[in-house]
Amino acid sequence: EPEVTQTPSHQVTQMGQEVILRCVPISNHLYFYWYRQILGQKVEFLVSFYNNEISEKSEIFDDQFSVERPDGSNFTLKIRSTKLEDSAMYFCASSDWGGIQETQYFGPGTRLLVL
Amino acid sequence: AQKVTQAQTEISVVEKEDVTLDCVYETRDTTYYLFWYKQPPSGELVFLIRRNSFDEQNEISGRYSWNFQKSTSSFNFTITASQVVDSAVYFCALSEGTLNFGNEKLTFGTGTRLTIIP
Repeated sequence: EPEVTQTPSHQVTQMGQEVILRCVPISNHLYFYWYRQILGQKVEFLVSFYNNEISEKSEIFDDQFSVERPDGSNFTLKIRSTKLEDSAMYFCASSDWGGIQETQYFGPGTRLLVL
Repeated sequence: AQKVTQAQTEISVVEKEDVTLDCVYETRDTTYYLFWYKQPPSGELVFLIRRNSFDEQNEISGRYSWNFQKSTSSFNFTITASQVVDSAVYFCALSEGTLNFGNEKLTFGTGTRLTIIP
């Protein structure tokens, strides 16, 4: 069964460093999302992406964040200068069609720890 | 603005008991979708079910069943004859609205941690 994959599974970085989180969505999917989950809290929407541009972003997704689809398979989230409060689990999701009726399938997550 | 409330933070039941997880939502849209996801201790989010706002039929899938009631804005999830493998955090989520494709973020509740005691 096709699935969303994410790398790395864990990343530890120093405050102020740049990190890139990588995702490979399900191959025929066209809509991509990033969410984050601070430890013990709920899952929060960061950004949605379609047709090589951002569709919507939350207030969390400030200028320190960017997303990119550098090729036909990868979808990346970059944090330019990490802060302590960026420590969280980051989930990538994809769906094969836009619209609220489509199910978003999530990857296993990348646990980011900023020291 | 949309909101999902899961008032039960933690629930523990003994194996084989039935358990119901509550979900209450708020939305101004007449068209919306509701979801349940399971997050086992390994951390991934596993899709369980999707329901649209026009379909209030209850759904059963094996030991799982869902009760959707628009009158009370609730979408509750029942596990029958619980098993240890059901231990996880369960999230209810809502997607609402417009027809702007690619704009359909999920709003999650805070989750209910379910522990099944052997």
